[in-house]
Amino acid sequence: NAGVTQTPKFQVLKTGQSMTLQCAQDMNHEYMSWYRQDPGMGLRLIHYSVGAGITDQGEVPNGYNVSRSTTEDFPLRLLSAAPSQTSVYFCASSQRQGGEKLFFGSGTQLSVL
Amino acid sequence: KQEVTQIPAALSVPEGENLVLNCSFTDSAIYNLQWFRQDPGKGLTSLLLIQSSQREQTSGRLNASLDKSSGRSTLYIAASQPGDSATYLCAVYGQNFVFGPGTRLSVLP
Repeated sequence: NAGVTQTPKFQVLKTGQSMTLQCAQDMNHEYMSWYRQDPGMGLRLIHYSVGAGITDQGEVPNGYNVSRSTTEDFPLRLLSAAPSQTSVYFCASSQRQGGEKLFFGSGTQLSVL
Repeated sequence: KQEVTQIPAALSVPEGENLVLNCSFTDSAIYNLQWFRQDPGKGLTSLLLIQSSQREQTSGRLNASLDKSSGRSTLYIAASQPGDSATYLCAVYGQNFVFGPGTRLSVLP
């Protein structure tokens, strides 16, 4: 059972470039979310989804887009990368929204030069 | 706005000690609280989930308590082992999860 799979594990971008971070889960979870983790700040919620076709903004959504066309996939798009987006990104899922047990991917370390 | 803090930021103990990690939150209107473990370069693993109506949860050598009215939770680790070395994070759920910055634990052989 793969759980939550994130790709790529590492990425270096130049300012202004765009890219998509991939996230897939095989647990048939309704709820999926993206977080960024910065030193000393804990994880901050970027966007989340409670089901296919439904997305909403979290605490720090600016500069990021998401979509949820299937239950399994929840990609995160950086439209025009900025150095402030240098961070470690985590995708997480749970059976439903409502504070259930969260399952995390292994993360993507992104550097924007 | 909910804020979550964890004290201490780092902790180093000899193997075999019992230890307590602390988590505090500013808004007591939460549905539940979850403790996670994060190993270097890895994602988070959920350890314990405490509903707001519960006082504590136990899993093996781990025991987590919740005092919603005072905005506090503790994670108790009994008979610590070097394999327990990791960063421990707490997260409270109101409308979404809000995470603390974590406590980095080192258990020395």
